[in-house]
Amino acid sequence: GEDVEQSLFLSVREGDSSVINCTYTDSSSTYLYWYKQEPGAGLQLLTYIFSNMDMKQDQRLTVLLNKKDKHLSLRIADTQTGDSAIYFCAELNTGGFKTIFGAGTRLFVKA
Amino acid sequence: EAGVAQSPRYKIIEKRQSVAFWCNPISGHATLYWYQQILGQGPKLLIQFQNNGVVDDSQLPKDRFSAERLKGVDSTLKIQPAKLEDSAVYLCASSLASSDTQYFGPGTRLTVL
Repeated sequence: GEDVEQSLFLSVREGDSSVINCTYTDSSSTYLYWYKQEPGAGLQLLTYIFSNMDMKQDQRLTVLLNKKDKHLSLRIADTQTGDSAIYFCAELNTGGFKTIFGAGTRLFVKA
Repeated sequence: EAGVAQSPRYKIIEKRQSVAFWCNPISGHATLYWYQQILGQGPKLLIQFQNNGVVDDSQLPKDRFSAERLKGVDSTLKIQPAKLEDSAVYLCASSLASSDTQYFGPGTRLTVL
């Protein structure tokens, strides 16, 4: 069935790069998303990538997609304390128009 | 452009009581979603509407949960009666169409005692 998996925690020092990884199972996914959730808030769309792309860069964010391995990553350059949050990977399955979310990766940024 | 609005932001009830949540999606968005997010987990889809019709409610516990979107705009989600395991954040999201990016509201945090 459809599944999205992420590691639960990541800790980095302020100024370092963060890399959050995600694997998914549905090869028919068309869009893959990264959402950010801060405490007490809803999910905020950070960026997304279409499945026929390998990479997308948006300011400090770089998304890499390896479709063969069904692996998605989010790199945050120059990580700041304000980046501390939970990051969710999600895939849109166009077969059922259903979005499947991972359990989220909690990013801790140490000053 | 205004985002997805939800109310209330917090609700505390006792088990077996009833509760209702309200969502106002982004103007013009035909698709509306209700998700349940249990602490430490990702959002789980409860129900998806396309205008005022239900597209997917396969994971909605229909013995106690109900939702409606009568005029194809606002939506309400009701739990009656609530159980302890219903304690979670209930997120509403909307998108232009079901194949488009979803935008989320701030959520309603429900605590069932």
